[in-house]
Amino acid sequence: DSGVTQTPKHLITATGQRVTLRCSPRSGDLSVYWYQQSLDQGLQFLIQYYNGEERAKGNILERFSAQQFPDLHSELNLSSLELGDSALYFCASSTRDSNYGYTFGSGTRLTVV
Amino acid sequence: GDSVTQMEGPVTLSEEAFLTINCTYTATGYPSLFWYVQYPGEGLQLLLKATKADDKGSNKGFEATYRKETTSFHLEKGSVQVSDSAVYFCALGETSGSRLTFGEGTQLTVNP
Repeated sequence: DSGVTQTPKHLITATGQRVTLRCSPRSGDLSVYWYQQSLDQGLQFLIQYYNGEERAKGNILERFSAQQFPDLHSELNLSSLELGDSALYFCASSTRDSNYGYTFGSGTRLTVV
Repeated sequence: GDSVTQMEGPVTLSEEAFLTINCTYTATGYPSLFWYVQYPGEGLQLLLKATKADDKGSNKGFEATYRKETTSFHLEKGSVQVSDSAVYFCALGETSGSRLTFGEGTQLTVNP
């Protein structure tokens, strides 16, 4: 157990729907990062939050949004889902910044049918 | 922007063979460098890291040396085991500290 908890582990939903992925960071970590892992595009950085505030944005679609709550857990919201959104979504956390590495959760596998 | 290039896979070796997975990077400043490993069905785990030039990271028999002059961070292991079969990712930490940038990943399969 890495200390980073992601739920649910698997999600199957239809095109056009909206889903929410949840992440609880490791105790003491203030930064949360979201990544998308697909077969054709590898690991793509989506967004980072630090202590409740957005810190950096990567290749995140406008249909996707995220937030970090006062208790430091984070949610990634994916809407108007398309078949191409099927992927593994990972959350990672770190104490302050990325320079000492992240701790990853085990991921949420999203399948859009 | 910052980028990481890994040798193409997949790599297939016999048990006890020597492993090298090449990784080169492009970055401004002095990034931290990492190797992560992903076993089937799991998230990525930090394998080793190096935070400055000439540092050597090591863990579980794996080693990598931060070479600023060749912008490389090649992963090596002297004798691989079947249990080392996994996907290996090289990554760099942007000097702003805002994210890790990952290479494409290299699938390693070790046969008994």
